[in-house]
Amino acid sequence: DADVTQTPRNRITKTGKRIMLECSQTKGHDRMYWYRQDPGLGLQLIYYSFDVKDINKGEISDGYSVSRQAQAKFSLSLESAIPNQTALYFCATSDQTDDEQFFGPGTRLTVL
Amino acid sequence: GQNIDQPTEMTATEGAIVQINCTYQTSGFNGLFWYQQHAGEAPTFLSYNVLDGLEEKGRFSSFLSRSKGYSYLLLKELQMKDSASYLCAKNQAGTALIFGKGTTLSVSS
Repeated sequence: DADVTQTPRNRITKTGKRIMLECSQTKGHDRMYWYRQDPGLGLQLIYYSFDVKDINKGEISDGYSVSRQAQAKFSLSLESAIPNQTALYFCATSDQTDDEQFFGPGTRLTVL
Repeated sequence: GQNIDQPTEMTATEGAIVQINCTYQTSGFNGLFWYQQHAGEAPTFLSYNVLDGLEEKGRFSSFLSRSKGYSYLLLKELQMKDSASYLCAKNQAGTALIFGKGTTLSVSS
């Protein structure tokens, strides 16, 4: 079984819709992250959480919100999706004693 | 800012050696990661350098100079399967990794 899972893997939605992307991990890591990736732009950090009660904005948090429901779960919401949020979204985890990040398989989101 | 700079694209032939450079701002620096990412897939860990010098891991090596804010990833005996994006990421104190935009490497026969 995968250590970091993301649901859904693909999603097509319409402008103005609310959408939630979910991430779960079985690695027992404290830290979780959400990134988006656009062609030629690398990975841009949206939000990160160092433990259940900790939420921090990243480089591009506008238009997004997150919820850390448990140590193992970190969800990303788009309250009102817009076409320029079309991208590949990755969740990642790391342990506080070792900064290597482990990535989920990604969610490909298309906003029409 | 937290600019991480690396070339956008590189090309090489099978069996060759290629060096991918990365420069970063030295403030708050804890270490430097290299990840490999095939198209449409998740990034996977290649190396992590904290101290100055070269670390070798099979066909891949990574070098770090902390004072110069410089790292490189060296790939030897290139194979077609090495065609991918290579992401340099700075481990910034107190926050998440800061990624560069990635270098797309194309290996031809």
